[in-house]
Amino acid sequence: RKEVEQDPGPFNVPEGATVAFNCTYSNSASQSFFWYRQDCRKEPKLLMSVYSSGNEDGRFTAQLNRASQYISLLIRDSKLSDSATYLCVVMSKAAGNKLTFGGGTRVLVKP
Amino acid sequence: SQTIHQWPATLVQPVGSPLSLECTVEGTSNPNLYWYRQAAGRGLQLLFYSVGIGQISSEVPQNLSASRPQDRQFILSSKKLLLSDSGFYLCAWGQVLGNTIYFGEGSWLTVV
Repeated sequence: RKEVEQDPGPFNVPEGATVAFNCTYSNSASQSFFWYRQDCRKEPKLLMSVYSSGNEDGRFTAQLNRASQYISLLIRDSKLSDSATYLCVVMSKAAGNKLTFGGGTRVLVKP
Repeated sequence: SQTIHQWPATLVQPVGSPLSLECTVEGTSNPNLYWYRQAAGRGLQLLFYSVGIGQISSEVPQNLSASRPQDRQFILSSKKLLLSDSGFYLCAWGQVLGNTIYFGEGSWLTVV
């Protein structure tokens, strides 16, 4: 089993709709969680950190479910510019504080 | 503010040739530095990380090496490239080990 797993998609989303997707992690001792966004042939960029209580940044909401070992990202009112690959990132102190990246979920927002 | 740059952005190299990718960070001191590789359709793989000058940790056995000759300079090298070395190479920096990291623009390497 991969340490961090994501549905590769693509998730085809009509403009203005809501899309949500999850990321599961295998190490129950994982401590920090992040979402990165990666545009085609570009470097990943930090989208948001994921806090235990869940957090929201504009149209983006991230949540953490420790019991089931997954994090989620929800995008409301999708824009064409939201089309990208979203990478889930997990950090575990047991793994030497290194970040482990998921393979990414591709989102395509269409008019 | 902090910035990170890496170069070259794109290169095509024959099998067996050497490689040198360079990365520099500005606006911070004693950063943690990382080299990642992203093969086509695959996730990011950590290759090397460094917590200080001359301190290099290797994550996977391979024909690549890394060096940190200065505090904010990180270099990825190979003496002889393999076809399997093709991919998107990303340098990154972070202030706290295990916390958020920030990537350079990336270097596309095609080994032919």
